[in-house]
Amino acid sequence: ETGVTQTPRHLVMGMTNKKSLKCEQHLGHNAMYWYKQSAKKPLELMFVYNFKEQTENNSVPSRFSPECPNSSHLFLHLHTLQPEDSALYLCASSQEVAGVIVQFFGPGTRLTVL
Amino acid sequence: GDSVTQMEGPVTLSEEAFLTINCTYTATGYPSLFWYVQYPGEGLQLLLKATKADDKGSNKGFEATYRKETTSFHLEKGSVQVSDSAVYFCALSDSGGSNYKLTFGKGTLLTVNP
Repeated sequence: ETGVTQTPRHLVMGMTNKKSLKCEQHLGHNAMYWYKQSAKKPLELMFVYNFKEQTENNSVPSRFSPECPNSSHLFLHLHTLQPEDSALYLCASSQEVAGVIVQFFGPGTRLTVL
Repeated sequence: GDSVTQMEGPVTLSEEAFLTINCTYTATGYPSLFWYVQYPGEGLQLLLKATKADDKGSNKGFEATYRKETTSFHLEKGSVQVSDSAVYFCALSDSGGSNYKLTFGKGTLLTVNP
């Protein structure tokens, strides 16, 4: 148990739907991340938030919209998605351990876009 | 830019066999190196890490040694179990200003048969 939770665990949506993914951590970490994991591809970093400020947007299409209302919560708002957006979306948070930043991952949301 | 190359597999072993998963990297500066494991249906979990040359990370019988001269961080285990079946990811974080970012390899699927 890493202390990072994600809801829902599975989501099926049509291309015209709007949905949101939620991530929560109560580990006291100040940085939170969204990753996309597709089959046969390396993990893709999407967004990074540090102290609630977005510090990284890795050329992600605008149909993905992150929100970080506080250090414990991170959302990914989805609208007008494409079938190729189907993937496992992983949230992570991080802390410094002995001078090294260590990331802790949630279980992911398996998204299917029809 | 930074990159991680690991053997893609899949790797299939019998129980109690010896495991090696190769990982090499390119990075500017002096990166920290990690192995993460993803069990079926779950997110990534930190398995072990090493922060400087010749460091050995170890956990749950797995070991990896940070080899600066060969830019490698190969994962080994002397006797695998069925419960070790998972996807293993090698990753690095650069010691530069953006050291909160991880660069991942593509992952290696390990299947251990009884």
